Amino acid sequence: NAGVTQTPKFRVLKTGQSMTLLCAQDMNHEYMYWYRQDPGMGLRLIHYSVGEGTTAKGEVPDGYNVSRLKKQNFLLGLESAAPSQTSVYFCASNPRQPGTGWDTQYFGPGTRLTVL
Amino acid sequence: AQSVTQLDSQVPVFEEAPVELRCNYSSSVSVYLFWYVQYPNQGLQLLLKYLSGSTLVKGINGFEAEFNKSQTSFHLRKPSVHISDTAEYFCAVSDYPSSNTGKLIFGQGTTLQVKP
Repeated sequence: NAGVTQTPKFRVLKTGQSMTLLCAQDMNHEYMYWYRQDPGMGLRLIHYSVGEGTTAKGEVPDGYNVSRLKKQNFLLGLESAAPSQTSVYFCASNPRQPGTGWDTQYFGPGTRLTVL
Repeated sequence: AQSVTQLDSQVPVFEEAPVELRCNYSSSVSVYLFWYVQYPNQGLQLLLKYLSGSTLVKGINGFEAEFNKSQTSFHLRKPSVHISDTAEYFCAVSDYPSSNTGKLIFGQGTTLQVKP
């Protein structure tokens, strides 16, 4: 199993450009999450999904959109990038089914995004 | 609303010395508690978790944590650290079972710097 993978690993955007970050998991997990990590602020939840076709807002959703068309993929979109969105983005998944590890989030390696 | 406070942003310690990383949380409902570790340029990896039962929880790499409900704390300890323990450590809280989203609220992170 590859676990949770994220594409791309690095990206530099200019203000106003758009892009999509892809998160993929091969563990058949129901729940998926997008976080951003900024120095001194820990990780903050942007959006999450509790199943295919569902999405919900997290703590800092403004400026981002998401889609979960397939169970294994969770896309994060920036329609018009701003310098304030410079961050490291992490995706995570969670099986949420009874059994070992059902309450644990599994994280991808991250995407480092710079908006100039 | 829940919150997590990690009381130290940086903890320098010499190799083979003991270490304690402090975490306090606030919540009006029962919570699950987690410690994650992030090595440089990597994603987050679960160290240990408290769901219920024994208040002393043992995790990977010789780490352990103690849940103290009266003091709303979940401090992480290791009796003897190694250079390879140098990393950032995050405390997190989930409000399951009162909420079924599995969302995590993270603390700000503590950088553990182990010196030779």
